[in-house]
Amino acid sequence: NAGVTQTPKFRVLKTGQSMTLLCAQDMNHEYMYWYRQDPGMGLRLIHYSVGEGTTAKGEVPDGYNVSRLKKQNFLLGLESAAPSQTSVYFCASSYGTRTTHNEQFFGPGTRLTVL
Amino acid sequence: DAKTTQPNSMESNEEEPVHLPCNHSTISGTDYIHWYRQLPSQGPEYVIHGLTSNVNNRMASLAIAEDRKSSTLILHRATLRDAAVYYCILRDVGTGFQKLVFGTGTRLLVSP
Repeated sequence: NAGVTQTPKFRVLKTGQSMTLLCAQDMNHEYMYWYRQDPGMGLRLIHYSVGEGTTAKGEVPDGYNVSRLKKQNFLLGLESAAPSQTSVYFCASSYGTRTTHNEQFFGPGTRLTVL
Repeated sequence: DAKTTQPNSMESNEEEPVHLPCNHSTISGTDYIHWYRQLPSQGPEYVIHGLTSNVNNRMASLAIAEDRKSSTLILHRATLRDAAVYYCILRDVGTGFQKLVFGTGTRLLVSP
């Protein structure tokens, strides 16, 4: 199993450009998440999805949109990139049942720089 | 979300035990204590979790205080590969969506 994969690994954008980050998981997980991590800080939740066709806002959703058209994929879009969105983006997935564990599995990250 | 407090950094020598503390004085009855770690240039990975009793797995042990206001992650023999940022997170499984709220964690440095 590949686990959680993210595409691309690195990207440089100019202010105002748009892009889409792709996350894929092969563990048949119901829940998927997008986080961002700024230097020296912990991860912050951007958006999440509790199932195919559903999405919800997390802690820092402004400037981002998401879609979950297929269970295995979760897309994060930046419509008009800003320098404040320079960060490392992590995708994660987990089983959907409400358990005491519900371990999240993380991808390797996408390093995005907005000039 | 109940908050946790961890030291910014700790140091250890290889093959010695490491005790990583976490304070969570406002923990509620339905909060589970989770630990994740993040190796350099990687995404976080699950380490261990518990509610009231001490827990052991192949990676680490979790010691939880009787009043649950603090806990300690124990690495029995640190290796160079254990150098990472360790996050102590409270996760409420009582109701609703159970998100993880990451603080800044403890950066563990392991010397040969």
